[in-house]
Amino acid sequence: TQLLEQSPQFLSIQEGENLTVYCNSSSVFSSLQWYRQEPGEGPVLLVTVVTGGEVKKLKRLTFQFGDARKDSSLHITAAQPGDTGLYLCAGAWDRGSTLGRLYFGRGTQLTVWP
Amino acid sequence: GAGVSQSPRYKVTKRGQDVALRCDPISGHVSLYWYRQALGQGPEFLTYFNYEAQQDKSGLPNDRFSAERPEGSISTLTIQRTEQRDSAMYRCASSLVGQGANRYGYTFGSGTRLTVV
Repeated sequence: TQLLEQSPQFLSIQEGENLTVYCNSSSVFSSLQWYRQEPGEGPVLLVTVVTGGEVKKLKRLTFQFGDARKDSSLHITAAQPGDTGLYLCAGAWDRGSTLGRLYFGRGTQLTVWP
Repeated sequence: GAGVSQSPRYKVTKRGQDVALRCDPISGHVSLYWYRQALGQGPEFLTYFNYEAQQDKSGLPNDRFSAERPEGSISTLTIQRTEQRDSAMYRCASSLVGQGANRYGYTFGSGTRLTVV
């Protein structure tokens, strides 16, 4: 059973389009992170969100943490071919035996065509 | 070092052989994690260490898998009597300890691609 469900699993769009990727869970997390992974490389951290309702922007990327801290979304405006990659969300708790451990979703594979 | 270093980058081994995968974390990062990642999917937790202490090994698939970090720096993931189902990308990551990982995230290595034939 996957703790974090990401959707869609695959997304193929043209350059210039907007898109949203979702990360949902039935569990409440202390924080949630988004990573991007390119072929042959390890995931690279994009952002961490910690407060319910929090919105963070990173150039054309907008990240939102749900009010109940169970879900998150990633919105990309005017996608570019360089945005192509596997986008992963990961949740964490601040207490208990799992402190420091991240729970990853299966990822969304985004392809942006020129 | 500047990043998380894993070796070897690729490993092909015959079924039944033992393999050892090495991870050298970022200097100053006291937490070290091992994950396994299938192609096109998210990393799956195996085990992690704070300093030399193994904090959680609940993700290790069975007793053929073990990990150590004897001096709190370099770690080795060992798979004994390898099977074809062990073929995967094995990734190591390091972070600031505990809650720091939840705020500042992991730094992943490039991984070791293990193929068991």
